[in-house]
Amino acid sequence: DVKVTQSSRYLVKRTGEKVFLECVQDMDHENMFWYRQDPGLGLRLIYFSYDVKMKEKGDIPEGYSVSREKKERFSLILESASTNQTSMYLCASSSARDTYQETQYFGPGTRLLVL
Amino acid sequence: QKEVEQDPGPLSVPEGAIVSLNCTYSNSAFQYFMWYRQYSRKGPELLMYTYSSGNKEDGRFTAQVDKSSKYISLFIRDSQPSDSATYLCAMIGSWGKLQFGAGTQVVVTP
Repeated sequence: DVKVTQSSRYLVKRTGEKVFLECVQDMDHENMFWYRQDPGLGLRLIYFSYDVKMKEKGDIPEGYSVSREKKERFSLILESASTNQTSMYLCASSSARDTYQETQYFGPGTRLLVL
Repeated sequence: QKEVEQDPGPLSVPEGAIVSLNCTYSNSAFQYFMWYRQYSRKGPELLMYTYSSGNKEDGRFTAQVDKSSKYISLFIRDSQPSDSATYLCAMIGSWGKLQFGAGTQVVVTP
């Protein structure tokens, strides 16, 4: 069974703080993704990575950065948190070797509140 | 205009009824179509995956794709209270990125 875990379920931070969100998958997947989910907007892709040390911008990368030093771990960094980054953050992974390689497996999400 | 449109609901149905969900899309390059189910405080999980136009059945779930109309549907037969969740459509084109609908909240009442 694919397992994607995220470091925190709930997080409260102050404006201007640096925030780290960690994601770990245990299925040796090549691809990892970070999304944010907001009511009425669905899931929007922030960044993704197809390999270690590789990253690609998604649809809304502004204000975020990522790090992938190991295959199983993909970190999302908010350099200076702002209130408009209050959201649910979802990590996902997928395998390039699957027939349906677009099948993404999601973690439980981190609900971030920026005050 | 969003690439993928989905009515957010909520859609409330009595137990045993058929739930009908749909999404429209604007980009004819989308080739793969998925439905994800998301329970409250959980991440989305893949429910159905289709490639071509037509129907695909899996137990009580039927996914339908009409590429000519750019319209996809999900039907849930004999709905149960455990089907109460948010259902997200998603689609992908040749560029490899998933585009999600906003999600429809479904409530099945006993």
